[in-house]
Amino acid sequence: RKEVEQDPGPFNVPEGATVAFNCTYSNSASQSFFWYRQDCRKEPKLLMSVYSSGNEDGRFTAQLNRASQYISLLIRDSKLSDSATYLCVFESSNSGYALNFGKGTSLLVTP
Amino acid sequence: GAVVSQHPSRVICKSGTSVKIECRSLDFQATTMFWYRQFPKQSLMLMATSNEGSKATYEQGVEKDKFLINHASLTLSTLTVTSAHPEDSSFYICSARGKKLGGKNIQYFGAGTRLSVL
Repeated sequence: RKEVEQDPGPFNVPEGATVAFNCTYSNSASQSFFWYRQDCRKEPKLLMSVYSSGNEDGRFTAQLNRASQYISLLIRDSKLSDSATYLCVFESSNSGYALNFGKGTSLLVTP
Repeated sequence: GAVVSQHPSRVICKSGTSVKIECRSLDFQATTMFWYRQFPKQSLMLMATSNEGSKATYEQGVEKDKFLINHASLTLSTLTVTSAHPEDSSFYICSARGKKLGGKNIQYFGAGTRLSVL
């Protein structure tokens, strides 16, 4: 079983829509969780960390459910510039803090 | 601005050539640097973990004699792909884990090196 699983999409949504991505992980020792975005042929960029209490950054809301071992990302009022691949990532100290990446979920926001 | 500098951004070389990629943390000292590789439509996969002054730790399936890592200082790590072959063509990305002033330990990524071996 892969350590991080994400629906690859693509998710095609109109501008202004709300879209949600989920991700499951299998390593219960995972300690820190993140959402990164990756644009085509570029390096990943940190979008936000994910906390058990849930956290929000503008139009983006992330949630972590440790009991069910999944994290989610909600994007409200989608913009064209949100089109990218969203990577679910976790970090654990027992792997030397290396990041484990999902394959990513592709989002295309259309006019 | 960028906090991790990775060079070169693009390499096209002939089979059998060795290619060196540099990764520098610009305004913080990186306790650990990581090297990842990403094939088309695949996730980033960790190749090795590099700690300053000690030997790198390689992931299973990554040949340490082919991918030489040197971490000479707290701000510089290099990856050398020795005798590159077409199957080594990939996107190589480094990251550096450390704290900027007053911040938390997080990983910052370089812009990546796209290697094409002909």
